[in-house]
Amino acid sequence: LAKTTQPISMDSYEGQEVNITCSHNNIATNDYITWYQQFPSQGPRFIIQGYKTKVTNEVASLFIPADRKSSTLSLPRVSLSDTAVYYCLVGGPLSGGYNKLIFGAGTRLAVHP
Amino acid sequence: DVKVTQSSRYLVKRTGEKVFLECVQDMDHENMFWYRQDPGLGLRLIYFSYDVKMKEKGDIPEGYSVSREKKERFSLILESASTNQTSMYLCASSYPGQNYEQYFGPGTRLTVT
Repeated sequence: LAKTTQPISMDSYEGQEVNITCSHNNIATNDYITWYQQFPSQGPRFIIQGYKTKVTNEVASLFIPADRKSSTLSLPRVSLSDTAVYYCLVGGPLSGGYNKLIFGAGTRLAVHP
Repeated sequence: DVKVTQSSRYLVKRTGEKVFLECVQDMDHENMFWYRQDPGLGLRLIYFSYDVKMKEKGDIPEGYSVSREKKERFSLILESASTNQTSMYLCASSYPGQNYEQYFGPGTRLTVT
């Protein structure tokens, strides 16, 4: 099972682009990379998921290099409401067809005015 | 929208008490999960279930048990609560094969005194 490493915290300002990198050196062939966002006193919320190259949705982009040993979550033009903890997780199917996920410790992003 | 509800937002119990945490989801998801969240440790999987009456241990099952008698309901049981089980407990659900995209409840903050 792939262990993930992320920065503990990051600071940014409104309107800037924020890139959070996650390291997962032992990622397995069938593992996907998923990012979640969590606000205080709430459960995590799915943001984006990818397997390789680049994925983009209305919230964020996810960049995955060819070796897949790391990934970068990119948040364009952040606002104060993007202040949250961001989790990178890596997981894939076990025998039996169900998946086990590993959550890292998360990155606490603080967006300042 | 998927809705995952948890029976209590805050709970205070005494050491040695039996504690039941209930989780209900309304999207007919086969898979359900129980996590605990502690500062600096991120989310850790306690148990998960991929079908009624089926359960699998996660990373930290010691001191916990679960019950899934109906598809929409997944209960976490602390047979004899201890102070080291003071934590935020989060329930989640997902479709089979889409465990990367889990839907979380608001959490139960349990304090054991």
